[in-house]
Amino acid sequence: QKEVEQNSGPLSVPEGAIASLNCTYSDRVSQSFFWYRQYSGKSPELIMSIYSNGDKEDGRFTAQLNKASQYVSLLIRDSQPSDSATYLCAVNKHGANSKLTFGKGITLSVRP
Amino acid sequence: DAGVIQSPRHEVTEMGQEVTLRCKPISGHNSLFWYRQTMMRGLELLIYFNNNVPIDDSGMPEDRFSAKMPNASFSTLKIQPSEPRDSAVYFCASSSNRGRDEQFFGPGTRLTVL
Repeated sequence: QKEVEQNSGPLSVPEGAIASLNCTYSDRVSQSFFWYRQYSGKSPELIMSIYSNGDKEDGRFTAQLNKASQYVSLLIRDSQPSDSATYLCAVNKHGANSKLTFGKGITLSVRP
Repeated sequence: DAGVIQSPRHEVTEMGQEVTLRCKPISGHNSLFWYRQTMMRGLELLIYFNNNVPIDDSGMPEDRFSAKMPNASFSTLKIQPSEPRDSAVYFCASSSNRGRDEQFFGPGTRLTVL
């Protein structure tokens, strides 16, 4: 089992729809969870971090964490063509100043 | 505030040559991470430093790769000799120990080994 798994893509949604991106992780001791957005040819950009169970909202983005089920998701409301990118899920098992483990990413395409 | 700075942004070299990639972390950050990204393998951690000390280099592919962090504001990743399979984008990231473990990435160096 991979440490961090993201559902295979690509994912295509129409403009204005909700895009749902999912991620599961294998190690129960994982403490911190992140979503990065990466445009083609660019570096990963941190868009959400979540540390406790439940939802965390930031603008059109909502991260959801369920430690019992070992999954973390990202919802993008009112999807825009500018949201088209690869989204990477990352997990930190050991807290500050330790390494992240990344999923392979899922490519989102928002159709105008 | 300046983000993570990497140089060069692009490097094309021939097999067997030495390649040195450079990174300046965000000022005040005390952890630095080197990653490599390819289509096949995704984003892989090569090595990371805390307070200039290497903590985990288990991701370094082989002895041809070495990394140093002589001070808090500078790190290098060296490949000697380079091989075509080293072609990838190499990212540097940094984070702070002030209660959060968010990592911020530099723009990357696209390395092509012919």
